[in-house]
Amino acid sequence: EIVLTQSPGTLSLSPGERATLSCRASQSVSSSYLAWYQQKPGQAPRLLIYGASSRATGVPDRFSGSGSGADFTLTISRLEPEDFAVYYCQQYGSSPYTFGQGTKLEIK
Amino acid sequence: EVQLVESGGGLIQPGGSLRLSCAASGFTFSNYAMTWVRQAPGKGLEWVSDISGSGGSTNYVDSVKGRFTISRDNSKNTLYLQMNSLRAEDTAVYYCAKATSFRFLDYWGQGTLVTVSS
Repeated sequence: EIVLTQSPGTLSLSPGERATLSCRASQSVSSSYLAWYQQKPGQAPRLLIYGASSRATGVPDRFSGSGSGADFTLTISRLEPEDFAVYYCQQYGSSPYTFGQGTKLEIK
Repeated sequence: EVQLVESGGGLIQPGGSLRLSCAASGFTFSNYAMTWVRQAPGKGLEWVSDISGSGGSTNYVDSVKGRFTISRDNSKNTLYLQMNSLRAEDTAVYYCAKATSFRFLDYWGQGTLVTVSS
């Protein structure tokens, strides 16, 4: 089973700042099959990024994903108030298709 | 518009059984794999199980193997999760999600809460 470790656990930033979230896998993720999801309180997760760097439909271009192998990054270029949420990475290259433990992005 | 609506959650005693359902609409159900993901209260997401579009292939996380069974009825556009021998640690919101051909999850339901407690 591939274990995904996200860092930091909590990130405190202000609107307008840049956010960088990390996701590290215990082994290489095949074909960069890595996705990022956003979850707000009381809501279901929402797909943001797939294939490590492709934005899902309707996702603003301030969200970008990068990385390969075992190291991946989600970057939010300029934080908007609605971006404060919990973010999860998921690998879907090898079953079970595990999630990271999440990074909470909170307003400073 | 894709819609996924879960039902069947509730309070159940340890050792009991429960069947969750997920009614799908807005897409050709039989063409897509479907997935169950759960989230314990205040915790992160845990991938539980998935099933191919035809129903012929299934996968499970180790912690539910032998206790949970995923299935689907393509004539009813419905996904199921039969949960047996439930434990306190199975307490969670259970989400069904539509998987793409690559298995990432592009649409999610709103979830149904399962509470295992005496």
